[in-house]
Amino acid sequence: GENVEQHPSTLSVQEGDSAVIKCTYSDSASNYFPWYKQELGKGPQLIIDIRSNVGEKKDQRIAVTLNKTAKHFSLHITETQPEDSAVYFCAASWRTGFQKLVFGTGTRLLVSP
Amino acid sequence: EAQVTQNPRYLITVTGKKLTVTCSQNMNHEYMSWYRQDPGLGLRQIYYSMNVEVTDKGDVPEGYKVSRKEKRNFPLILESPSPNQTSLYFCASSRTSEETQYFGPGTRLLVL
Repeated sequence: GENVEQHPSTLSVQEGDSAVIKCTYSDSASNYFPWYKQELGKGPQLIIDIRSNVGEKKDQRIAVTLNKTAKHFSLHITETQPEDSAVYFCAASWRTGFQKLVFGTGTRLLVSP
Repeated sequence: EAQVTQNPRYLITVTGKKLTVTCSQNMNHEYMSWYRQDPGLGLRQIYYSMNVEVTDKGDVPEGYKVSRKEKRNFPLILESPSPNQTSLYFCASSRTSEETQYFGPGTRLLVL
């Protein structure tokens, strides 16, 4: 089955710096890669996603890049702000009769003012 | 407002006392799923449902049951809870299994 590894597990940056979170996946047939942000006491919320026919996608300060050959994808947050502090999860789709998501173990991002 | 709701949000119980965590969505989604979140393990799928009366096991189904009698509701049942089921539980829904999943606010369960 699919396996998703996520690094780092914790990341501390200063406000205004960039943050990068990386994930690798094992199933070359995976074709959908969402990123979720989980704030304290809340459920995960989709922030950006990318499909396998696209190499990069941007939405204001966040971007996701996908390298299908190397089977890894990354989340980039520029000009970080304290409200970006949260746990971020990557996920990859896996087909087993239908499409299911396999999640990484999460990255706790702390942005210090 | 489009949302997924879960109840209760917090629950403390004792080993062996049956409990149900409810999940409801108002988006007419076909696909619903239950996850548990544990430190260092991320989100692991417990059960999922492709539509009414269609449910199947996820990656960690032992000790859990579900039902899908109506499209909007997908309750999670712990017939005889044990301490290793202490966890944070999330319900999620999406229009189909291939589209964005929307998560509920979570239920924190402690089994003594």
